[in-house]
Amino acid sequence: AQSVTQPDIHITVSEGASLELRCNYSYGATPYLFWYVQSPGQGLQLLLKYFSGDTLVQGIKGFEAEFKRSQSSFNLRKPSVHWSDAAEYFCAVGARRGETSGSRLTFGEGTQLTVNP
Amino acid sequence: DGGITQSPKYLFRKEGQNVTLSCEQNLNHDAMYWYRQDPGQGLRLIYYSQIVNDFQKGDIAEGYSVSREKKESFPLTVTSAQKNPTAFYLCASRRAETYNEQFFGPGTRLTVL
Repeated sequence: AQSVTQPDIHITVSEGASLELRCNYSYGATPYLFWYVQSPGQGLQLLLKYFSGDTLVQGIKGFEAEFKRSQSSFNLRKPSVHWSDAAEYFCAVGARRGETSGSRLTFGEGTQLTVNP
Repeated sequence: DGGITQSPKYLFRKEGQNVTLSCEQNLNHDAMYWYRQDPGQGLRLIYYSQIVNDFQKGDIAEGYSVSREKKESFPLTVTSAQKNPTAFYLCASRRAETYNEQFFGPGTRLTVL
């Protein structure tokens, strides 16, 4: 079964500082990987996704993530955080199409980001 | 504008009552999903449907029911059998040919009094 771990429940950074949010997954083969962001009381917005190819993927709002197969990780990064980045971030893993669970995503428990002025 | 709508935004019900949460999409997506979100627990899958008139249980289906009579609609009923129904409920949809990428609605916060 696929699973996702986000080790950090809450992270606080200063505005302008760099950010890295950790995500580790468990899956038998190369998964599909996603990062979503959620503002309070809102739905989830897709930041970026990895399917294959280049292991460094670029997303919206200046975010990027790197897929590291050897570490089963897909960490999210941003070089300079803005106050508007304060939100909850979710990493998700999906199975390849054609597999039994190919239609499902499994989410991590989320990392709450606080940005200090 | 294309998107997913969930109504209402806030819903209050008395204990023991069934309640139905609406989810409509005009994206022409084939698959639709219902998730429950509780603080510190991420998103947990309740039910999903890949085509009209078919749906599958997710990880926490007990106490919930769904129907998929139309492609654009996937209502969720929270029954009185659900032990702790107060939560934030999110609906999502996906095109069949995309790689699991799901698009989310704004959510409904259900409070059972």
